[in-house]
Amino acid sequence: GQNIDQPTEMTATEGAIVQINCTYQTSGFNGLFWYQQHAGEAPTFLSYNVLDGLEEKGRFSSFLSRSKGYSYLLLKELQMKDSASYLCAVTDSNYQLIWGAGTKLIIKP
Amino acid sequence: NAGVTQTPKFRILKIGQSMTLQCTQDMNHNYMYWYRQDPGMGLKLIYYSVGAGITDKGEVPNGYNVSRSTTEDFPLRLELAAPSQTSVYFCASSSASEPTNYGYTFGSGTRLTVV
Repeated sequence: GQNIDQPTEMTATEGAIVQINCTYQTSGFNGLFWYQQHAGEAPTFLSYNVLDGLEEKGRFSSFLSRSKGYSYLLLKELQMKDSASYLCAVTDSNYQLIWGAGTKLIIKP
Repeated sequence: NAGVTQTPKFRILKIGQSMTLQCTQDMNHNYMYWYRQDPGMGLKLIYYSVGAGITDKGEVPNGYNVSRSTTEDFPLRLELAAPSQTSVYFCASSSASEPTNYGYTFGSGTRLTVV
């Protein structure tokens, strides 16, 4: 079966750095997405990785290792507005998106 | 630019009632999707469409129907509402040529409760 695993919840301090991990087992791989979802709102696109390595976008970076079936999202200089759920999603061999359940990130002052 | 517009935002249905969730996009995207999101769960694909006149089942299609008569519109129909269909429904769209750069664009969601 196809499976994406993320921690259910994480807590971090304002101004700090947090890493959210995602492991996946899918039938084929055509890319990995990270989305941010604030409570009661729609998911919004953060990043896309298809090759191994690190992609940096301002305070957010995303890393992929295809051989390990592993990705992480790194958030630096945390702000209170970063409190949200972070969803990992993988595109399988049929170009269908398989979604993880999301990681709820709580930022404390 | 409105993006993806979903209506209604909230709805309470009685068991056995029917309703249509509306979804319209103004980005000329070929690909459109309907997802449901249950608390603590990932998004589950209900139906998708790769263009006007073409629809296909996703992971959880039972109890739902869709149509795609135009590029812009992709309504989702619930014929006989059941409590198991209580969920948040999201419509999304993507450009067939650039889904990787921008991902999917989501509507704001419809929160449906079946009692």
